[in-house]
Amino acid sequence: EAGVTQSPTHLIKTRGQQATLRCSPISGHTSVYWYQQALGLGLQFLLWYDEGEERNRGNFPPRFSGRQFPNYSSELNVNALELEDSALYLCASSFRLAGEETQYFGPGTRLLVL
Amino acid sequence: GESVGLHLPTLSVQEGDNSIINCAYSNSASDYFIWYKQESGKGPQFIIDIRSNMDKRQGQRVTVLLNKTVKHLSLQIAATQPGDSAVYFCAEYAPGGYQKVTFGTGTKLQVIP
Repeated sequence: EAGVTQSPTHLIKTRGQQATLRCSPISGHTSVYWYQQALGLGLQFLLWYDEGEERNRGNFPPRFSGRQFPNYSSELNVNALELEDSALYLCASSFRLAGEETQYFGPGTRLLVL
Repeated sequence: GESVGLHLPTLSVQEGDNSIINCAYSNSASDYFIWYKQESGKGPQFIIDIRSNMDKRQGQRVTVLLNKTVKHLSLQIAATQPGDSAVYFCAEYAPGGYQKVTFGTGTKLQVIP
């Protein structure tokens, strides 16, 4: 069974541009989480989507947004890119069964803002 | 792949020795903890978890210890192998699901053959 996949693996943008990152969850998983991992910092929770709806967002400005499609894949959009947005963006999917939930992470998209 | 280990504390261990990686967590309300392993160029991989009603949990070659009094978590790896080289970080979860999470910055484990 395929794991969580993310594309692209690397993305280079300039300040002020927009970036779109994509995530495909494990088949059958309905929840998708997005995290930012800046160099030297721990993962920071960005967004949580479940069943097509945004359920919660972390402490990030509104220029970080996203959506979840009917097939449960997800997009993360970052508008008006700033240099400090350079980071590894990780997507994780999960499925709740009998009260238990386990997350599975994708390999990430490395975003570099110049 | 990219290095996720820059600017992180590093633990160097001889192959075959035991490794102990520590983590201090911040929220006394956190009731669930996970240790992750992250190899260069890859996403975090679940290693072992523990709930706050336990103080020790063992897996295959790994043991997690939880000390709620001092809000401290440790990961012990027995007979460390070269394949264990990676960044290890802990995650603490407050009640409410995976979005109520705080991740540690991680420790880079280097296994010396």
